[in-house]
Amino acid sequence: AQSVTQLDSQVPVFEEAPVELRCNYSSSVSVYLFWYVQYPNQGLQLLLKYLSGSTLVKGINGFEAEFNKSQTSFHLRKPSVHISDTAEYFCAVSVIGSGAQKLVFGQGTRLTINP
Amino acid sequence: EAGVTQSPTHLIKTRGQQATLRCSPISGHTSVYWYQQALGLGLQFLLWYDEGEERNRGNFPPRFSGRQFPNYSSELNVNALELEDSALYLCASSLAEVYGYTFGSGTRLTVV
Repeated sequence: AQSVTQLDSQVPVFEEAPVELRCNYSSSVSVYLFWYVQYPNQGLQLLLKYLSGSTLVKGINGFEAEFNKSQTSFHLRKPSVHISDTAEYFCAVSVIGSGAQKLVFGQGTRLTINP
Repeated sequence: EAGVTQSPTHLIKTRGQQATLRCSPISGHTSVYWYQQALGLGLQFLLWYDEGEERNRGNFPPRFSGRQFPNYSSELNVNALELEDSALYLCASSLAEVYGYTFGSGTRLTVV
């Protein structure tokens, strides 16, 4: 079964500093990879996704992620964060062609931006 | 383009009662997915409906059920509510897996 590990449950960062949120997955087959953001009392918003092709994926709000197949990682990065980036971030995988069509989520990383 | 809409936003029920949650997918999306986000348990896959049929089910008891209507909207029913069912229930829709999934804002169910 697939699993997703977000290595940090909480990440505090100062405003305008860079940030990296780490995600590792376990799967022996090909997967789609996603990062979602959840602001307080809201649903999930898609930040970016990796389907195939270039391993560097750019998303909304200045975020990007790099797919590393050998390390089974999909870390999310932003070069300079803003107060408005304070939210919970979820990494998720979906196994290609499994027919299951379900997302397996990590436990989430709470990003807190301090002024 | 309207996104995925869920109703109601909040729902308070008594233990043992039944809850009905509703979801309208993005126009043109035929697949609807339900997820439970419970405190301390993270996001768990509940159900997948496509073209009116249940295609996949997560590890939840049978008292969690649902259906998809001809217009692709969906309903999640939770029978014999337990306190542990208190959670945010998220609905998502998709045109195809390769395009990803769009989530609604959720229904917060509180069982007292």
